[in-house]
Amino acid sequence: EVQLVESGGGLVQPGGSLSLSCAASGFTFSDHYMDWVRQAPGKGLEWVGRTRNKANSYTTEYAASVKGRFTISRDDSKNSLYLQMNSLKTEDTAVYYCARDYCSGGWCYLGYWGQGSLVTVSS
Amino acid sequence: IQLTQSPSFLSASVGDRVTITCRASQGISSYLAWYQQEPGKAPKLLIYAASTLQSGVPSRFSGSGSGTEFTLTISSLQPEDFATYYCQQLNTYPLTFGGGTKVEIK
Repeated sequence: EVQLVESGGGLVQPGGSLSLSCAASGFTFSDHYMDWVRQAPGKGLEWVGRTRNKANSYTTEYAASVKGRFTISRDDSKNSLYLQMNSLKTEDTAVYYCARDYCSGGWCYLGYWGQGSLVTVSS
Repeated sequence: IQLTQSPSFLSASVGDRVTITCRASQGISSYLAWYQQEPGKAPKLLIYAASTLQSGVPSRFSGSGSGTEFTLTISSLQPEDFATYYCQQLNTYPLTFGGGTKVEIK
């Protein structure tokens, strides 16, 4: 069974940094693309970014709103995904989900999701 | 690419047929997914490639469309279907979601 468990959320001041982790189990982590998606309180979903798998050189993509401030990384030996968030703004307050791909026809959708981790940016 | 969902809110009864539309600001072929999110829970993949039902999803859900206009249809609304639905395009980075459609009980 695919399981994704986020951790590391909490309260941080504007301008600060925070790192989220996502522990994966139940599948061969290195084979898969992994994404971060966030949801501000009472709002819709916002895609944050993606890291491709080893076969695709672990390349990354980011939303414009976080590019240059957030970094996605992974450690396949630990079956873990990370999100390093720097220069945090109040508008980064959200529940952050990690998600695993589900690929079909060469395209990868978000097939499995964690339960989310709340990040609050406030003074 | 911007995705515009309509309506943003709809009120319906059990047994009703419900249709949600997702329009893309430019062509995305069939690289569109639909997700369902129940309150307090993570989203769940319902449909991918615009019209392919994810394993385990009830057949009352269906998707159609290509290019810039897509629809999600629930043929007979069930109590467990009252949730918020999102479309997502995967044709072009950055990936984007629609604003969501909240389906509530009439």
